[in-house]
Amino acid sequence: QKEVEQDPGPLSVPEGAIVSLNCTYSNSAFQYFMWYRQYSRKGPELLMYTYSSGNKEDGRFTAQVDKSSKYISLFIRDSQPSDSATYLCAISRPNFGNEKLTFGTGTRLTIIP
Amino acid sequence: ETGVTQTPRHLVMGMTNKKSLKCEQHLGHNAMYWYKQSAKKPLELMFVYSLEERVENNSVPSRFSPECPNSSHLFLHLHTLQPEDSALYLCASSQDPAGSSTGELFFGEGSRLTVL
Repeated sequence: QKEVEQDPGPLSVPEGAIVSLNCTYSNSAFQYFMWYRQYSRKGPELLMYTYSSGNKEDGRFTAQVDKSSKYISLFIRDSQPSDSATYLCAISRPNFGNEKLTFGTGTRLTIIP
Repeated sequence: ETGVTQTPRHLVMGMTNKKSLKCEQHLGHNAMYWYKQSAKKPLELMFVYSLEERVENNSVPSRFSPECPNSSHLFLHLHTLQPEDSALYLCASSQDPAGSSTGELFFGEGSRLTVL
């Protein structure tokens, strides 16, 4: 079983729709959860970071963590064409360094105008 | 120059060639990383340097050889590669030395490598 599972997509939705991106993980020791966004021909950039169960909002983006189900989600409200990118989840454990980040495969998202 | 810059952006090489990828970070960070990104696969960590010393080597084949001459520069020397090594090679840096789990890596735009 992979440590992190993420549907690679591709996912296409119309502009203005709510987007839901998800990852599951297998090890309950994971405590830090991140979402990176990668535009075409660019490197990934950190979008959101959380370490607790529940929701964290930042503008149109909401990161949700359910540790009991080992399930993390990223919601995008009022999606825009500029949100078209690949979204990668990444998880880590306490006392383990950045080198221990485990990434998902990434979900390629296209917002259709 | 700002952030993390990588050169070249694109590289085509034969299996017998020797080439190098270069990375430079302008952020004053203490750790630098090489990742391999292939289609439909998670990012694969290759090497980590923290305070200019290698702290992680994830069983990467010896045909990949990293070099970190100072905290701002990182190289990946390539020799007798295989076609399956074709991928996007990403360099990243982090403010904290490897060992901190803040999770914020700053990536370059990558070097797209094609091995014929």
